[in-house]
Amino acid sequence: KNQVEQSPQSLIILEGKNCTLQCNYTVSPFSNLRWYKQDTGRGPVSLTIMTFSENTKSNGRYTATLDADTKQSSLHITASQLSDSASYICVVSAVSGGSYIPTFGRGTSLIVHP
Amino acid sequence: GAVVSQHPSRVICKSGTSVKIECRSLDFQATTMFWYRQFPKQSLMLMATSNEGSKATYEQGVEKDKFLINHASLTLSTLTVTSAHPEDSSFYICSARVGTVYTEAFFGQGTRLTVV
Repeated sequence: KNQVEQSPQSLIILEGKNCTLQCNYTVSPFSNLRWYKQDTGRGPVSLTIMTFSENTKSNGRYTATLDADTKQSSLHITASQLSDSASYICVVSAVSGGSYIPTFGRGTSLIVHP
Repeated sequence: GAVVSQHPSRVICKSGTSVKIECRSLDFQATTMFWYRQFPKQSLMLMATSNEGSKATYEQGVEKDKFLINHASLTLSTLTVTSAHPEDSSFYICSARVGTVYTEAFFGQGTRLTVV
């Protein structure tokens, strides 16, 4: 069964600090891994997307890494801002029989305090 | 990125009534649209996948007669919750994709449904 596990479940940090969110997956056959930011009451917004051959992808203060061998990914947020408070969702997609099958993690709830 | 618009963003309805949620791709033609349901502090759960002009494919455990999906055009898909019950109260999100399975799906802003 395809699964995506994220940790920690929630995280509180002070503004300006860095943090790293983790995503472990057992999804096969692997197609790509995406990190989304979801503000409360809003739809998810894509931050990064990585395929099998990519191991690092940056988007401003967000840097995602992927280790396809250990099936782990991380999202590093640098110099956090209050607006970074949101849920961060890891989505790992498999392609099977021509069908697109995303598996969603439960998300990490990040709270940035001033 | 491409824009996907959902309407309404919030809706309150009485038990037993039906409510329709629209999902529109504003600047691209979506060959495939997905409907998700999300409970508080939970992950998104895929309800169904719809391709333009064909019947939707529902995930196991999702009642097709209760959650009616119509993908009549390349820019519009609708989800109708029929005979709504309080337990149908949830956050419903659509996403739309153009092209192959390798292209990104873009999410709408979601619809908060409250059944009273």
